[in-house]
Amino acid sequence: AQSVSQHNHHVILSEAASLELGCNYSYGGTVNLFWYVQYPGQHLQLLLKYFSGDPLVKGIKGFEAEFIKSKFSFNLRKPSVQWSDTAEYFCAVNALNFGNEKLTFGTGTRLTIIP
Amino acid sequence: ETGVTQSPTHLIKTRGQQVTLRCSSQSGHNTVSWYQQALGQGPQFIFQYYREEENGRGNFPPRFSGLQFPNYSSELNVNALELDDSALYLCASSLGGQGSNTEAFFGQGTRLTVV
Repeated sequence: AQSVSQHNHHVILSEAASLELGCNYSYGGTVNLFWYVQYPGQHLQLLLKYFSGDPLVKGIKGFEAEFIKSKFSFNLRKPSVQWSDTAEYFCAVNALNFGNEKLTFGTGTRLTIIP
Repeated sequence: ETGVTQSPTHLIKTRGQQVTLRCSSQSGHNTVSWYQQALGQGPQFIFQYYREEENGRGNFPPRFSGLQFPNYSSELNVNALELDDSALYLCASSLGGQGSNTEAFFGQGTRLTVV
């Protein structure tokens, strides 16, 4: 069965700092990859997705992620964070060989931005 | 706003009772998935419904059951509630259902507390 690891449980940064959140998955087949964000009191919102093609994908709010197949990784990056980026971030994987859109999520990374 | 609505938003039940949670999918979507998100954890896949048929199930006991209606809305039923069932229950809708390149849109969730 597939699994997703997010190694950073809580990250604290100052505004304008650069961000990188790690995500590794375990599944040998073809995958779709996602990053979701959950702002306090709000629903899960898609930041970006990777289906195929260019392994560097750009999402909303200045976020980007790079799929490195050999490392089974899909790390999230942002060059300069803002206070409004304070939220919980989830990496998710959909293994395409099972005929459904089951998402396997990591445990999440809580990001706190200090003004 | 994602167009996915869930009801109720909050619910308190007693151990041993039964509960029904409801989800209206985004217009045009034919697939609904349900997730359980315990405090401090990532969402865990319960099951998915595609065109009124169950299409994939996670590691949840049979007392977790569901339905999808012809208008693609869905219900999650949980029988014989246990204290550990206390969690945020998320509904996600998508267009596809058979492992296609699609993204899921999440509702706000139902916060279930079992006492």
